[in-house]
Amino acid sequence: DTGVSQNPRHKITKRGQNVTFRCDPISEHNRLYWYRQTLGQGPEFLTYFQNEAQLEKSRLLSDRFSAERPKGSFSTLEIQRTEQGDSAMYLCASSLAPGIEKLFFGSGTQLSVL
Amino acid sequence: GENVEQHPSTLSVQEGDSAVIKCTYSDSASNYFPWYKQELGKRPQLIIDIRSNVGEKKDQRIAVTLNKTAKHFSLHITETQPEDSAVYFCAAPEGGGKLIFGQGTELSVKP
Repeated sequence: DTGVSQNPRHKITKRGQNVTFRCDPISEHNRLYWYRQTLGQGPEFLTYFQNEAQLEKSRLLSDRFSAERPKGSFSTLEIQRTEQGDSAMYLCASSLAPGIEKLFFGSGTQLSVL
Repeated sequence: GENVEQHPSTLSVQEGDSAVIKCTYSDSASNYFPWYKQELGKRPQLIIDIRSNVGEKKDQRIAVTLNKTAKHFSLHITETQPEDSAVYFCAAPEGGGKLIFGQGTELSVKP
């Protein structure tokens, strides 16, 4: 499978715990995006990378959220001190820059914070 | 920043009828407008996109039209089939680096 891969598919955690998600983009894609989606809503932008550089982070994103893409390949999204409001589907997408091009999404990680 | 509004939020049609979903955007510099389909429990998938140098693009039963003056674009699905039932999202670019998505339209095609 040469598509975007995300792990884990599901994560259940208790409030206050830290969680980390992983995204493996399509191999030749240099842009990687993280979005969050709640039921009945469109994907909400969180952050994106071009190669290993984090180019933008949503102003709405709490400082409890951090993302890395250390070697310009896979990326991790960490949420510290999780809250119930963090419960959502976290989607990763990749594309081939420059400019805005087709985004290819992964299947997402469904986070439930109890 | 870019603001994308999508209507309607739900749409129910009979099999064989046409369906139209409309989106407006705010940034007149936007030049790329994709549509994504998301089936229940699955990832969003690109079904068609259009760039601002054309007014219409077709792919079999799906078409997208763009009116840059009015800053709106629409998805048209003809001869709808039950497998077209899904949530559809429009999007527009912001800052040259990311897509901003509409709120989604849940399309239900009744046999």
